[in-house]
Amino acid sequence: LAKTTQPISMDSYEGQEVNITCSHNNIATNDYITWYQQFPSQGPRFIIQGYKTKVTNEVASLFIPADRKSSTLSLPRVSLSDTAVYYCLVGPILTGGGNKLTFGTGTQLKVEL
Amino acid sequence: EAQVTQNPRYLITVTGKKLTVTCSQNMNHEYMSWYRQDPGLGLRQIYYSMNVEVTDKGDVPEGYKVSRKEKRNFPLILESPSPNQTSLYFCASSPGLGWQDGYTFGSGTRLTVV
Repeated sequence: LAKTTQPISMDSYEGQEVNITCSHNNIATNDYITWYQQFPSQGPRFIIQGYKTKVTNEVASLFIPADRKSSTLSLPRVSLSDTAVYYCLVGPILTGGGNKLTFGTGTQLKVEL
Repeated sequence: EAQVTQNPRYLITVTGKKLTVTCSQNMNHEYMSWYRQDPGLGLRQIYYSMNVEVTDKGDVPEGYKVSRKEKRNFPLILESPSPNQTSLYFCASSPGLGWQDGYTFGSGTRLTVV
């Protein structure tokens, strides 16, 4: 699986847009980029997934440049409840074998009033 | 409600006393996995199972055992717990290996070994 690098922590204020960037220089052709969110003492939960360009859902947007060596998770107008750890994962999907979900240390986002 | 259920949520035990943490999912998922989470180390995979009677080691399998006799259950067994196994444990399941967006995690089991 491609190794990922994320900032250890970020701070923001309510109502602001937060962008968390993940570097994955050795991403493979068949790798997808997936983001998970984890609140304290809870298991991670899926936020968004993409392969290239831009993906948007009701929670976030994911921007992936043409070279795919990085990606940015964008959280619009964050609130206190968005305080959590965010994980960037890179790997193939639906290959049927060999790969596994590998988490790094994630980015601790703290949102204040 | 589709969910992964772990028990117990909290457990304090003594060194060497065998224990089992249960994990059950009601989504008919083929793939199940155990992770441990420690400060500064993120989530690390202990064991995973691609289907009934098929299990394999993750990144940190030492000191742990698992079994997959039924599709819905994937217990984590610590035959002789040691203090370095004090951690927060998560069970996860997905429709299949590789479904990065389909993972459902349990609520966690906080284990303390004294």
